[in-house]
Amino acid sequence: AQKITQTQPGMFVQEKEAVTLDCTYDTSDPSYGLFWYKQPSSGEMIFLIYQGSYDQQNATEGRYSLNFQKARKSANLVISASQLGDSAMYFCASFGNEKLTFGTGTRLTIIP
Amino acid sequence: DAMVIQNPRYQVTQFGKPVTLSCSQTLNHNVMYWYQQKSSQAPKLLFHYYDKDFNNEADTPDNFQSRRPNTSFCFLDIRSPGLGDAAMYLCATSTRQGLNQPQHFGDGTRLSIL
Repeated sequence: AQKITQTQPGMFVQEKEAVTLDCTYDTSDPSYGLFWYKQPSSGEMIFLIYQGSYDQQNATEGRYSLNFQKARKSANLVISASQLGDSAMYFCASFGNEKLTFGTGTRLTIIP
Repeated sequence: DAMVIQNPRYQVTQFGKPVTLSCSQTLNHNVMYWYQQKSSQAPKLLFHYYDKDFNNEADTPDNFQSRRPNTSFCFLDIRSPGLGDAAMYLCATSTRQGLNQPQHFGDGTRLSIL
C-alpha cells in the first residue's frame, strides 16, 4: 500500500521568495513514481513534475524542482521566485498498485 | 489543443434524481479515470478504464457506475444521488498505466445536490 504525508496544511510566503513544500511517502514497492500537482481555486489539477525512484538526478521543470531524498523517503517540491499565480493547493502523489495515491495537500498563499 | 474536457462545469441535481457527468479526451489515451474530491480533501479514485477493461475500486459505492463507449468518451452515472455525493468530480487520462505516466486532468464538474 502507498501512503503520502504532507504535514503542512497551509503556508504563507512572500512574493519572489523560494518555498519548499514537504512530502514524505511510504511504499513497499521497489519501483515507484512520485508526482506533484497544483490545484488552483478553479478546480483543475495541473501536473507539475515527476520523479522516478531510480532517477539519479533530481527532477526540474522551470521554477519547479524536486528535492528527492530516497533514504529519508521524502520528495519535497521547491518553487523558486514565487509568484502570485502560485497561490493554490499542492498535492504530492505516488503511483503504485495501478493507481495514484494523493496526500492531503498544502494550501500555498503568496503574499504581495 | 489536445485536452480533457468535462461537461458541465457545474451540475445541480435533486436528491435521488439520476445524473450523468461526461468526460471526453483528444489525447487518444488508453486509460481514463474518475475521481471524487470533497471539499479540502485529496481526490479519491472511484474507478478507471484501461481501454475497455473496467476496474472498480473496492470502496466505490454501487450507486456509482461508469461507461466508456469509445476511446474518447467516458461517463460517470450516479443512480440515486445523496447529499453526501456533493463533490467535485475529476476525470483524468494517461497514455498507459505506469510509474512514469502523469495523469492529465479535466477542469472537473462540481456537483451540488438539492
